Amino acid sequence: DAKTTQPNSMESNEEEPVHLPCNHSTISGTDYIHWYRQLPSQGPEYVIHGLTSNVNNRMASLAIAEDRKSSTLILHRATLRDAAVYYCILRGLAGGTSYGKLTFGQGTILTVHP
Amino acid sequence: SAVISQKPSRDICQRGTSLTIQCQVDSQVTMMFWYRQQPGQSLTLIATANQGSEATYESGFVIDKFPISRPNLTFSTLTVSNMSPEDSSIYLCSVRGTGPYNEQFFGPGTRLTVL
Repeated sequence: DAKTTQPNSMESNEEEPVHLPCNHSTISGTDYIHWYRQLPSQGPEYVIHGLTSNVNNRMASLAIAEDRKSSTLILHRATLRDAAVYYCILRGLAGGTSYGKLTFGQGTILTVHP
Repeated sequence: SAVISQKPSRDICQRGTSLTIQCQVDSQVTMMFWYRQQPGQSLTLIATANQGSEATYESGFVIDKFPISRPNLTFSTLTVSNMSPEDSSIYLCSVRGTGPYNEQFFGPGTRLTVL
């Protein structure tokens, strides 16, 4: 499986934007970029995913580099509730050996200061 | 979305015993997974629970240690057998949704402590 690299930790202040980077230089053409987060004492939850174009949803935005070797999860206004571990994960298309599986790296611990 | 419940939510067990963890989903799902999260670590996939057939285990995990049942499309169990303190972890059940995003949903986890 293609690997991702994320900073171990990042800090932000409440109500400020947060940019969480992820490097995935060995991404294949059929890999989707998924982001999940794990709040304290909870199971992970889906945040967003994309293939080539930038994506927006109610939780966050995903900016994908043109060569797809990196991406950035953007939280537009961090709240205390956004303090979590954020995982950037590559997931293959249906029918591939990695389809259906999520392989978690170490993720980025986001701390949000009041 | 899928709502997942797990039982028990936590347990403290003695070395050498076994614990069976139950996972119940509020809708029929095709793919169910079991993960382990050791203290301070990320999640590691143990196996894919297949309905009507044997589970598919990831490298490093074997059926004798982690037997899995999946009798129908909404329920699965994971047994942690012959436990040792190294098995102390959070065990999470997960399912893949059928919506447009194919996101994966996770249960709240079962926190296991082995003495």
